[in-house]
Amino acid sequence: QVQLKESGPGLVQPSQTLSLTCTVAGFSLTSYNVHWVRQPPGKGLEWMGVIWNTGGTRYNSALKSRLSISKDTSKSQVFLKMNSLQTEDTATYYCARDRAGPDYWGQGVMVTVSS
Amino acid sequence: DIQMTQSPSFLSASVGDRVTINCKASQNINKYLNWYQQKLGEAPKRLIYNTNSLQTGIPSRFSGSGSGTDYTLTISSLQPEDVATYFCQQYNSWWTFGGGTKLELK
Repeated sequence: QVQLKESGPGLVQPSQTLSLTCTVAGFSLTSYNVHWVRQPPGKGLEWMGVIWNTGGTRYNSALKSRLSISKDTSKSQVFLKMNSLQTEDTATYYCARDRAGPDYWGQGVMVTVSS
Repeated sequence: DIQMTQSPSFLSASVGDRVTINCKASQNINKYLNWYQQKLGEAPKRLIYNTNSLQTGIPSRFSGSGSGTDYTLTISSLQPEDVATYFCQQYNSWWTFGGGTKLELK
């Protein structure tokens, strides 16, 4: 059964770094790409970036300078790190498996940027 | 970047109604278009992939059509459990999403 689950802090202070983990089950990270997508409250979905099955990455140009995605294949985990957080980064963050676009999503983790 | 314009943003319909939701891309996306359903507090669920292919386990009352820049999701006979937000997503060039349609029962 394919599953993805995001985890991380619910509250981050402005200017700090956000670290999230996506733990997957039911498939191998060597076979599928995994993307990160976020959704600010009341707004639409924004694609953040992808880590390919090969380990390469590609980021949304608007976030590229602040964002890093990596993975530990042996632990079936994908990591997101984004620095210099601002209130506009308050959102629900999702990871999703890529098979002709996102076929399976995690439940999402709500992150609030506030002091 | 490819922009996805979804309409309507809000839709109220009765059980048994035929419902259509539209997405317009800012350029040709070659049918690389998916539709999702999202209920409150749940992960998005893919209904349709590649414009018109029904995801396994999804009821046949859901269907998709379109080409070029214009795409449509149709629910042939609305059921109470279909109350949700629906959004489109293109994967012709990275990923972008429509703004969503909130569907409620009249």
